[in-house]
Amino acid sequence: AQSVAQPEDQVNVAEGNPLTVKCTYSVSGNPYLFWYVQYPNRGLQFLLKYITGDNLVKGSYGFEAEFNKSQTSFHLKKPSALVSDSALYFCAVHHLSGTYKYIFGTGTRLKVLA
Amino acid sequence: AAGVIQSPRHLIKEKRETATLKCYPIPRHDTVYWYQQGPGQDPQFLISFYEKMQSDKGSIPDRFSAQQFSDYHSELNMSSLELGDSALYFCASSAGTGVDGYTFGSGTRLTVV
Repeated sequence: AQSVAQPEDQVNVAEGNPLTVKCTYSVSGNPYLFWYVQYPNRGLQFLLKYITGDNLVKGSYGFEAEFNKSQTSFHLKKPSALVSDSALYFCAVHHLSGTYKYIFGTGTRLKVLA
Repeated sequence: AAGVIQSPRHLIKEKRETATLKCYPIPRHDTVYWYQQGPGQDPQFLISFYEKMQSDKGSIPDRFSAQQFSDYHSELNMSSLELGDSALYFCASSAGTGVDGYTFGSGTRLTVV
């Protein structure tokens, strides 16, 4: 069965420091991986995706993610965190198996401290 | 740019009442997805439609039903509401299978009292 794990409920980082939000996946075949961000009382916003190609994917707002097939990971990163990055981040896997849905991780709350 | 429109934004209902949530996808998006997000939880997939046909079904209770209309908008009908149905309900749309990503609406916050 497909699954996505985000091992950290919350990540705290000082403004200006690099941040990493972890995600690991379990899916047969080639995964399509996504990161979404959710601000309070808002819908999820697309950040970036990995379909194929370069393992380092660049997305919105200066975020990037590295696909690591051997470790089945897709960690979200940013070189220098901003207070405005504080939000809830969801990793998701979409497996093209004829189904039409994402499987979301449980979310990681990122708190960037001024 | 046009986004996914959900209405209403907020809805308060009593137990055992019914509710209808509406979703208007981005133009030219033919697939609509419904998710339920409880407080502090990740979004749970309910149901999806592609070209007006149900394409996948998740953890949608039998008390809920949904459909996609000829203009691609979708409605989620919820009957015999329970306190546990209180949640944020998101609609998302995509072109086809959504491998390029979904666009989410801002959600309808349903409170059952």
